[in-house]
Amino acid sequence: DAKTTQPTSMDCAEGRAANLPCNHSTISGNEYVYWYRQIHSQGPQYIIHGLKNNETNEMASLIITEDRKSSTLILPHATLRDTAVYYCIVRVANYGQNFVFGPGTRLSVLP
Amino acid sequence: GAVVSQHPSWVICKSGTSVKIECRSLDFQATTMFWYRQFPKQSLMLMATSNEGSKATYEQGVEKDKFLINHASLTLSTLTVTSAHPEDSSFYICSAREVGGLGEQYFGPGTRLTVT
Repeated sequence: DAKTTQPTSMDCAEGRAANLPCNHSTISGNEYVYWYRQIHSQGPQYIIHGLKNNETNEMASLIITEDRKSSTLILPHATLRDTAVYYCIVRVANYGQNFVFGPGTRLSVLP
Repeated sequence: GAVVSQHPSWVICKSGTSVKIECRSLDFQATTMFWYRQFPKQSLMLMATSNEGSKATYEQGVEKDKFLINHASLTLSTLTVTSAHPEDSSFYICSAREVGGLGEQYFGPGTRLTVT
């Protein structure tokens, strides 16, 4: 079973920031938080991952709480092309483990 | 970034026939590749883990004789759906784990299989 819980769906206005929450209260000390997204009929696309510090790249920012039991993915200026299912996954970042996908959050960016 | 390709991107076949799907890591070597299946409006479900040069490990409930996996090189794994039936119609996605480093995984674009 997936180790994370996410809202089923969210809406966001185009141009505004999209904040996608994820709860992972049973995360272990050596597990990273990964975010992927899947646009309709495509393979999952990597967005960002982190261990305990906040992370930022050209796509998004990842904010992890100090106790690491939850995190938020931030898309700073959502566009219509960001409409997708977003998956939050916790995983040990080394050899061996596959990704376990939960149902994710269906983000709809509205014009 | 690392690229994983799948071929074909979509395929339609008749019930009872077999279909082969290829997964290739284009610019890196992958000792391990994973095969996922995704039904409409559902999440990805791991089917099997394929290691180069050895037998694949199948998840519970996945028939190994129906879904044949071959991982003959560090850049290619194949999934063959044998005697396909309409209930096998699905979106099949592979991912490849890079040798070295943190062993990050990269996903392919998926293959849409429709069995008529």
